[in-house]
Amino acid sequence: NAGVTQTPKFRILKIGQSMTLQCTQDMNHNYMYWYRQDPGMGLKLIYYSVGAGITDKGEVPNGYNVSRSTTEDFPLRLELAAPSQTSVYFCASSYSVLTDTQYFGPGTRLTVL
Amino acid sequence: GQQLNQSPQSMFIQEGEDVSMNCTSSSIFNTWLWYKQDPGEGPVLLIALYKAGELTSNGRLTAQFGITRKDSFLNISASIPSDVGIYFCAGQLPTDSWGKFQFGAGTQVVVTP
Repeated sequence: NAGVTQTPKFRILKIGQSMTLQCTQDMNHNYMYWYRQDPGMGLKLIYYSVGAGITDKGEVPNGYNVSRSTTEDFPLRLELAAPSQTSVYFCASSYSVLTDTQYFGPGTRLTVL
Repeated sequence: GQQLNQSPQSMFIQEGEDVSMNCTSSSIFNTWLWYKQDPGEGPVLLIALYKAGELTSNGRLTAQFGITRKDSFLNISASIPSDVGIYFCAGQLPTDSWGKFQFGAGTQVVVTP
């Protein structure tokens, strides 16, 4: 199994541009999450999904959108990039609500200039 | 969200030394997790704690769920160079039952030979 994969690894955007961060898991996990990690800070939850077709906001959803059309994929969309969205983005997945099964992808480092 | 205070922020230790770090909060948590993040990678779960007073080991790592349910501790014994990384605590509030966590800001560990 590849686990949780994320693309791209790095990206630089100009203010106002849009992009989609891709996340795919091959573990048949129901639950998927998007976090952002800012320097010196812990992970902040952006959006989560409990299954295909179901998504909900986390702690810091403003400026982002998600969709979950399949169990495997959970893309994160930035519509109008702002410098405040410069961060490292992590996707994670878990099979159930059990807390010890959350697996993280390698991250996408995004810079907005 | 609730604030988790993780300390120390960073520590420089010599190979062979023991390491201790902790996480505290003003809120009660149902679950405590400890993750390690290597440079350029996503966090990897080290230890999960589910009951107040619980003491759990994973090799040279030992973590404890504080009796008050407001804190947790992680110890690394006889450190080796590959222990370098950022260690994060994460806690789950009683009101967040589906796998939502609050993360600490991390403890950066540097091991010198």
